[in-house]
Amino acid sequence: QKEVEQNSGPLSVPEGAIASLNCTYSDRVSQSFFWYRQYSGKSPELIMSIYSNGDKEDGRFTAQLNKASQYVSLLIRDSQPSDSATYLCAGNKAAGNKLTFGGGTRVLVKP
Amino acid sequence: DAGVIQSPRHEVTEMGQEVTLRCKPISGHDYLFWYRQTMMRGLELLIYFNNNVPIDDSGMPEDRFSAKMPNASFSTLKIQPSEPRDSAVYFCASTTGGFGEKLFFGSGTQLSVL
Repeated sequence: QKEVEQNSGPLSVPEGAIASLNCTYSDRVSQSFFWYRQYSGKSPELIMSIYSNGDKEDGRFTAQLNKASQYVSLLIRDSQPSDSATYLCAGNKAAGNKLTFGGGTRVLVKP
Repeated sequence: DAGVIQSPRHEVTEMGQEVTLRCKPISGHDYLFWYRQTMMRGLELLIYFNNNVPIDDSGMPEDRFSAKMPNASFSTLKIQPSEPRDSAVYFCASTTGGFGEKLFFGSGTQLSVL
């Protein structure tokens, strides 16, 4: 099993709808989790981090972490065409600072 | 702050040539990371430094790759000799340290080895 796994997509959602992205992880990355957004031809940028079980909301974004089931998700409410990008899930080991990324999910928001 | 600065933005070279990628981290950041991104393998960590010292180089694909950080404001990633399979986008990132900190990525270097 890869350390962090994502469905590559594309995930196509109509404008205004909720985009739901999922990520599963192995025991080797189990401390902290991050969602990065990467526009085509650009570098990744952090949009959310989550460290404990439950939900964390920031504007239109909600991250959800379930350590028992080893998955983390990202919800994008009221999706906009500007949300069209690849979303990278990343996990961190408890010791050190080695961040491991999933392959990314491409999201397309259609007007 | 100008952010993480990488150079060059694009590099086209021929197989067998030496390639040197450069990175200037954000001032005050004590961790520096080199990542490689390809369609097939995604974003892979090659090596990272803490206070200029290499901590984990287990992601470096082979001896053709080497990285240095002679001081807190400069790092290089060298490939010698380069091969077509090294073609990728190479990102440098820095952070203030401790696990769970936000990574700040540079704009990347698009490397094409012909």
